Parts: sequence; C-alpha cells; structure tokens
Amino acid sequence: DQQVKQNSPSLSVQEGRISILNCDYTNSMFDYFLWYKKYPAEGPTFLISISSIKDKNEDGRFTVFLNKSAKHLSLHIVPSQPGDSAVYFCAASVRNQFYFGTGTSLTVIP
Amino acid sequence: DSGVTQTPKHLITATGQRVTLRCSPRSGDLSVYWYQQSLDQGLQFLIQYYNGEERAKGNILERFSAQQFPDLHSELNLSSLELGDSALYFCASSVGSGVKNIQYFGAGTRLSVL
Repeated sequence: DQQVKQNSPSLSVQEGRISILNCDYTNSMFDYFLWYKKYPAEGPTFLISISSIKDKNEDGRFTVFLNKSAKHLSLHIVPSQPGDSAVYFCAASVRNQFYFGTGTSLTVIP
Repeated sequence: DSGVTQTPKHLITATGQRVTLRCSPRSGDLSVYWYQQSLDQGLQFLIQYYNGEERAKGNILERFSAQQFPDLHSELNLSSLELGDSALYFCASSVGSGVKNIQYFGAGTRLSVL
C-alpha cells in the first residue's frame, strides 16, 4: 500500500524556469513532510521539510507547499538550474515512521 | 560526502544465504536508520536505532534484524535470502531521534541475490 505517491516519473524544464514536483499522500495522520534529492550512485540528500501545521516553507530557491485538505505536497524550484537535475523523493512521517514516494526524475535543460 | 559510510558497496550472494551490511554514522550522530529500495520503488523504511536502542520499526521482515553497537555503528543482517531481497539498502544517520532531525544518507549497499 503506497501511502505516498509521486505520479510523474519524470519532468523536463528549461533552465531559469520554474520546476514543480508533486506528491500526493493518503494518510491524514502524517505530521511532517520532507523532500530529498538524489544523484546517481549517491544516497538521498535532504532538501527541505514542512510541518503539517504550516502550508509553506521556503529556503532559497526551494519552496514546499502543503495542502492538507487535498493531501497534496509540492516542491517549487525557482529558477531551475542544470545542477538541479536529479531524482526527487517526497517523504512523510508519522510516529517516527517514514514513507517515501517512488521519485520524480527532473532534467533541467540548459 | 555525507559522512555516512556503508560497506560493502556491492554484494552478490545466493538464495538461502545470510549477509551482513554495515553502517558507520556521521561523527556525533546517535540515530541510525535503515531503508530498502527495490527496483522502481520508493525507499522503504525498515528500522531506526537511537544510541543503541530500537526507536522505530517499519516494514522489516522477520528474516531481517539489525543492531547498533556501543561505538554507534550499525549492522543489518539479512538471512534466508530470497530473489526479492535484491535491492539497494541505505543507511542514514542523524543527531537526534525525532523526525525533524536531518537524516544524512550513505551511498548504499547494492545486494544481488542470485
């Protein structure tokens, strides 16, 4: 049972434009959400997180939006850079358990 | 470099065998987490240890076990291996035990069961 879903396996964006990565979840008890970035042959790297009591968190070029009523999470990257090309995983947590999506491969075209 | 070291990088073994994966956390980190990533799957949380004690348990099979030693390194033991256990196994570490602690991941151990 996949409680966290990333329905877009891949996304291509022009350099300088906005990248929007989406994530849906089913468990309304999730209280913390995270995004990780992963390059080939490396482990995931933490990017940004948000608590369920907030609807937006911003860190530089990265902003995470949480819509609890829709059970939807999104990551905005503005402006996108070629170095952002990676696989992005969203994750959610409840009671110290972590649930990850299957990832979206982002390609930023120079 | 995340500072988390996983050994070995690759492991090839046969069905029915037992293997041990090792993880050395970042200096100062007390929590260790284990994850499994099968082909085309997201990361599956297996288990978390904090300062030697089991802190949280996910979808870890009974054939799998883990422990964290006094020097804080951790081992994941996989026994009676099946073809479906072939996967990338990640270890992560964090300073504290709560979910808001940033987890730093190792590069993973790729297990192939033939």
